[in-house]
Amino acid sequence: QVQLQESGPGLLKPSQTLSLTCLVSGGSFSRNSYYWTWIRQPAGKGLEWIGRIFTTGTTNYNPSLKSRGTISVDTSKSQFSLRLTSVTAADAAVYYCARGVVSARFDAIDIWGPGTKVAVSS
Amino acid sequence: QSVLTQPPSASGTPGQRVTISCSGSRSNIGSNSVNWYQHLPGAAPKLLIFTNNQRPSGVPDRFSGSKSGTSASLAITGLQSEDEADYYCTSWDESLNGLIFGGGTKLTVL
Repeated sequence: QVQLQESGPGLLKPSQTLSLTCLVSGGSFSRNSYYWTWIRQPAGKGLEWIGRIFTTGTTNYNPSLKSRGTISVDTSKSQFSLRLTSVTAADAAVYYCARGVVSARFDAIDIWGPGTKVAVSS
Repeated sequence: QSVLTQPPSASGTPGQRVTISCSGSRSNIGSNSVNWYQHLPGAAPKLLIFTNNQRPSGVPDRFSGSKSGTSASLAITGLQSEDEADYYCTSWDESLNGLIFGGGTKLTVL
């Protein structure tokens, strides 16, 4: 079955750039109905959608990121990545990568990675 | 403050029926379908309900969803201790052109 696994640094300093990668295994990566997305959860708070990318390259982002975030995809490696610039303590969170499916009858995020914790501290 | 409004907490005793509401607007729930996720501590969120009222395979029929206008609800019947978790509604927002999550509801089984 399809599995997702996040990887990246667990600790950053303020103003640095966060780079996370999500490796997708066990299934199709490039189907047109799939999109690949990042979601985060700060400690003690709710889930926050960061953005998504279709394998065609089409992206959507949460406006609250104020253009600090970029999601890219590497279909040859079945992976996608998140780059978040100028991090602050507010960006500390558990970051999840996930798969979304869009079809005539289904539009939902259906498979999630286990999450990776990112701390921001000087 | 979330665009989708959920009660921060809900509770019930084993066997009871509990409902969790999700209130939005015309630009989100009023225009698009609602999905619900169950988030257990230390685990990844799990899709519970999609397209307002559909259950993925493997989700017990104790869980059901509904939508009316700009609001949606998740109902859990025959409450069990393992249902204790955080529950989130989501919907696409046309004005923000992005996916939005409700603030989450912490369900406690007393």
